[in-house]
Amino acid sequence: EDQVTQSPEALRLQEGESSSLNCSYTVSGLRGLFWYRQDPGKGPEFLFTLYSAGEEKEKERLKATLTKKESFLHITAPKPEDSATYLCAVQALNSGGYQKVTFGIGTKLQVIP
Amino acid sequence: DAGITQSPRYKITETGRQVTLMCHQTWSHSYMFWYRQDLGHGLRLIYYSAAADITDKGEVPDGYVVSRSKTENFPLTLESATRSQTSVYFCASNLAGGPNEQFFGPGTRLTVL
Repeated sequence: EDQVTQSPEALRLQEGESSSLNCSYTVSGLRGLFWYRQDPGKGPEFLFTLYSAGEEKEKERLKATLTKKESFLHITAPKPEDSATYLCAVQALNSGGYQKVTFGIGTKLQVIP
Repeated sequence: DAGITQSPRYKITETGRQVTLMCHQTWSHSYMFWYRQDLGHGLRLIYYSAAADITDKGEVPDGYVVSRSKTENFPLTLESATRSQTSVYFCASNLAGGPNEQFFGPGTRLTVL
């Protein structure tokens, strides 16, 4: 069974204090790993897709990296507007016609001015 | 407006009543999904649809019914609502096949009394 574990569950940072969020996963074969941002009362918003170990993607203050067992979302010099819950999800190679995507519970990030 | 919309945004109903949640997307995406999001759980797939008139069960389908007569619409019906179905429901869509990111609607917060 595919599993996604995110840590920490919650993270409080001062503005400008860089940190990383972790996503550990177990899948039979990785087809893709996704990062989403979710603001309170809204649907998840897509950030990145990573396909293979060693891959990295960046967007503004966010950088996502991938290894064979985990992914990190690095946040550099965060601002209060980066406060949100960050979700990690994986899609396995053996999904076939069923696009099963397994989501983690998320990390709730709060950035304090 | 382009995108994916859900209605209603909030709904309160009573145990045993039938409730239908609506989802509409304007991208002509082949795939559409219904998820529920509860505290302590990641997003869990209820049903998905690969195309008009093609639907299949996800992880937690019991008590729910879906239909997809048109590509753009994917309603979710709770035939006889139970308190355990109190949740936030998200509709999503994406292009056919591959590890493509999903695009989520704003969600419907359903309370079953």
